[in-house]
Amino acid sequence: AQKVTQAQTEISVVEKEDVTLDCVYETRDTTYYLFWYKQPPSGELVFLIRRNSFDEQNEISGRYSWNFQKSTSSFNFTITASQVVDSAVYFCALSEPRYNFNKFYFGSGTKLNVKP
Amino acid sequence: AAGVIQSPRHLIKEKRETATLKCYPIPRHDTVYWYQQGPGQDPQFLISFYEKMQSDKGSIPDRFSAQQFSDYHSELNMSSLELGDSALYFCASSLGRGGNTEAFFGQGTRLTVV
Repeated sequence: AQKVTQAQTEISVVEKEDVTLDCVYETRDTTYYLFWYKQPPSGELVFLIRRNSFDEQNEISGRYSWNFQKSTSSFNFTITASQVVDSAVYFCALSEPRYNFNKFYFGSGTKLNVKP
Repeated sequence: AAGVIQSPRHLIKEKRETATLKCYPIPRHDTVYWYQQGPGQDPQFLISFYEKMQSDKGSIPDRFSAQQFSDYHSELNMSSLELGDSALYFCASSLGRGGNTEAFFGQGTRLTVV
C-alpha cells in the first residue's frame, strides 16, 4: 500500500494564482516525520520542509505555507502568488524512524506548471 | 555551503557493462542514502549507510552493491547493467539517522544504458 499519496498528478495555474498541493500519508507509528521536496526541471531534489508528528503548528516561509492535520493524515503545501520559477515536481515524503530508520517513502509527486 | 556531490553527473553504458557511482556527503554527515528515480516516477529507496555500516536496504537488485568508506563517501556499484537500470540515481546525506533529520540530496547521476 502506498504510504504517501499525492492525488494530484499535474496542476496548471497562471502566475500569481495561489495553489495547494495535497499530501495524504499512512503510518502505524506515533512518531513520524513528513517532508516536502521540490524537483525543478534541472533534476535535483531540493529540501523544503520537515515536520514531526508532534508539531501540528502550521508553518509559513515566504510564499510557502504548510498545513499539517493529523486528524486527516494530511500535510498540504500552499504556494501563494505563484511564480514561473515555482514550476517543478513536488514530492511529499514520510519517514518512520521506529520501523525504518533510514528510509524515506516518497509520494508519486505533483507536477506544477505555472504559466506566465 | 557545501552540498552533496555526486559523480559523474551523466553516464552512458552498454548492456552488461559495469558502472560505479560516487557520492560525497556534506561534511560531518554520517548517513548516506541511495535512491533510484525512473522516468516520471518517484524516488525509490535502494540502500543506506550509517557510520559506514549498512543501515537499511530497499529494492536494490542483487547486481548492485554499495559501501561507505572511512571518509564517509559512498559508492554504488552496478554490474550486468540492463536497459531498465536507466534512471536518475540520487545520493543523499544527513546528520544522524532517519526521519528526525532532513536529508539533503545531490544533483543526481543520470545513467543511460544502451
